[in-house]
Amino acid sequence: EVQLVESGGGWVQPGGSLRLSCVGSGFTFSNYWMNWVRQAPGRGPEWVANIKPDGNEKNYVDSVKGRFIISRDNPKNSLYLQMNSLRAEDTAVYYCAAYSSTQGIYWGQGTLVTVSS
Amino acid sequence: DIQMTQSPSSLSASVGDRVTITCRASQGISNYLAWFQQKPGKAPKPLISAAYSLQSGVPSRFSGSASGTDFILTISSLQPEDSATYYCQQYIYNPFTFGGGTKVEI
Repeated sequence: EVQLVESGGGWVQPGGSLRLSCVGSGFTFSNYWMNWVRQAPGRGPEWVANIKPDGNEKNYVDSVKGRFIISRDNPKNSLYLQMNSLRAEDTAVYYCAAYSSTQGIYWGQGTLVTVSS
Repeated sequence: DIQMTQSPSSLSASVGDRVTITCRASQGISNYLAWFQQKPGKAPKPLISAAYSLQSGVPSRFSGSASGTDFILTISSLQPEDSATYYCQQYIYNPFTFGGGTKVEI
């Protein structure tokens, strides 16, 4: 059974930092582009960032460039998102998602990040 | 950025009806199109990837098709448990972008 389990969410004040983690199992993690997608309350999903299977290419949505860093550790089947200089508008459920052009798509259940004073 | 225009934004149908939802990409995306189902308080669930491929465990009443930059999700016989919001997403060009969603009520 494929699983993606996120952790690390919580409450943080504006300007603060959080590090999200995601552990995958049941599939060949190192073959997949890994993504973070977020969904603010009452809104549709928004793609945040992704990283190539070998970790050598990273892409970000404009609103998080320079503040968020995506990384992965393939031997640990793990994906990370370091979030700095957090703003109220970063409040959302953050999902870890695995994408393959041939093997399909998997999403986790999400972790809630709340940025508020 | 590629714009994904999804229609309709909402629909109401009866059990057993055939339902179609359309997603139009602002430029060619080959078949890098996914459909998701989301129920309140739950994570989006991938239904279809690569425009046509049904994800494991998804009922066969769901299907995807494509013609150029137009993509269609079809539910052949609507069931009560299909009440949800449906999203399309292109995943060939960064930033990956989602459609605005279609709320299906039964």
